[in-house]
Amino acid sequence: LAKTTQPISMDSYEGQEVNITCSHNNIATNDYITWYQQFPSQGPRFIIQGYKTKVTNEVASLFIPADRKSSTLSLPRVSLSDTAVYYCLVGDPILTGGGNKLTFGTGTQLKVEL
Amino acid sequence: NAGVTQTPKFQVLKTGQSMTLQCAQDMNHEYMSWYRQDPGMGLRLIHYSVGAGITDQGEVPNGYNVSRSTTEDFPLRLLSAAPSQTSVYFCASTPIKSYNTEAFFGQGTRLTVV
Repeated sequence: LAKTTQPISMDSYEGQEVNITCSHNNIATNDYITWYQQFPSQGPRFIIQGYKTKVTNEVASLFIPADRKSSTLSLPRVSLSDTAVYYCLVGDPILTGGGNKLTFGTGTQLKVEL
Repeated sequence: NAGVTQTPKFQVLKTGQSMTLQCAQDMNHEYMSWYRQDPGMGLRLIHYSVGAGITDQGEVPNGYNVSRSTTEDFPLRLLSAAPSQTSVYFCASTPIKSYNTEAFFGQGTRLTVV
């Protein structure tokens, strides 16, 4: 599984856009990039997944450059409720059992203030 | 739709006691898994299952047993609790998909072994 590196923590203010970058230099051809969000005392929640270029959903955008060695999760206009830990995961959906065998790092603690 | 339900939410055990953490899902997912999360850490995979009657070990299986007699339930058993097993335990279920790594997590069980 590809090793990922992301900042330990980030601070932001309400209404700002937050970009969290994840480095994954040894990503394999069949690997996808997936981001999860975890609030205190809750289980992780799937946010977004992508393979290349840009993916957008109602929660976030995921930017992946052509070499796929990094990715950036973008959260538009964050609010206090976006304070959470964000995990970047890289893996082959088949080898990880479609999400059955996930490898989590320590994630990025995002703190949003007024 | 309840999703993934874990019981109990909190538990205190004495060293050497045994107990079973319950996990049930109502999404008819074939795949289920158990993780533990220690303070300031990411989740680590304990055991996983790809269907009724089929289980396998994850990254940290020692001290834990699992069984999968039905699609809906995936209990985790601690045979002789140790202080090192103090942690938050998360159960997850995943539909069979080869193109996605989306897992659905329960709310967690916070276990303290004294």
